[in-house]
Amino acid sequence: GQQLNQSPQSMFIQEGEDVSMNCTSSSIFNTWLWYKQDPGEGPVLLIALYKAGELTSNGRLTAQFGITRKDSFLNISASIPSDVGIYFCAGRGMDSNYQLIWGAGTKLIIKP
Amino acid sequence: EAQVTQNPRYLITVTGKKLTVTCSQNMNHEYMSWYRQDPGLGLRQIYYSMNVEVTDKGDVPEGYKVSRKEKRNFPLILESPSPNQTSLYFCASSSILGIQYFGAGTRLSVL
Repeated sequence: GQQLNQSPQSMFIQEGEDVSMNCTSSSIFNTWLWYKQDPGEGPVLLIALYKAGELTSNGRLTAQFGITRKDSFLNISASIPSDVGIYFCAGRGMDSNYQLIWGAGTKLIIKP
Repeated sequence: EAQVTQNPRYLITVTGKKLTVTCSQNMNHEYMSWYRQDPGLGLRQIYYSMNVEVTDKGDVPEGYKVSRKEKRNFPLILESPSPNQTSLYFCASSSILGIQYFGAGTRLSVL
């Protein structure tokens, strides 16, 4: 099945650094979602985006719905140890009610 | 509290021994889905259900069965598990806004 192109695959960063990751698609979407998965847990929604160009923040997290409807990015500012985990993007196509297409995830590791 | 509950959390079994992983949601969602997660491969959809008695194959349905007799429950059945089904499994249900809510996961080992 189709999978979104999510990059980078993994990131090794120092505490306090800013983080940026993105997802691209070959088709246009009407919804972009960003999830975080802590070790041993299920993914949890961070940010939902429903309009092209929309920029939404959730604490230190900021995500944008690309103007072309084919991409989205997630930024984390001033990373802290609890930011460690896997971040997934997901998109919903224009003709889809519920089905999501998923990125393969970005694994965030913070160097001690 | 709104939640998706799956059981068991951990399961070790042997090849060929039928097993069922249960999933229940209390949000009155019509849509439910099963995924498996393997290192480096992200979330791959096994089966999904748009409503009671309506189920459909996802990307990796081979070796799995599902049923949707009630809105809240969506069990995943492995009739004859094999070692390549060793994985981390997630059940999810979706709101009409497209937001999927996940269970805590079931880690399955097939020996």
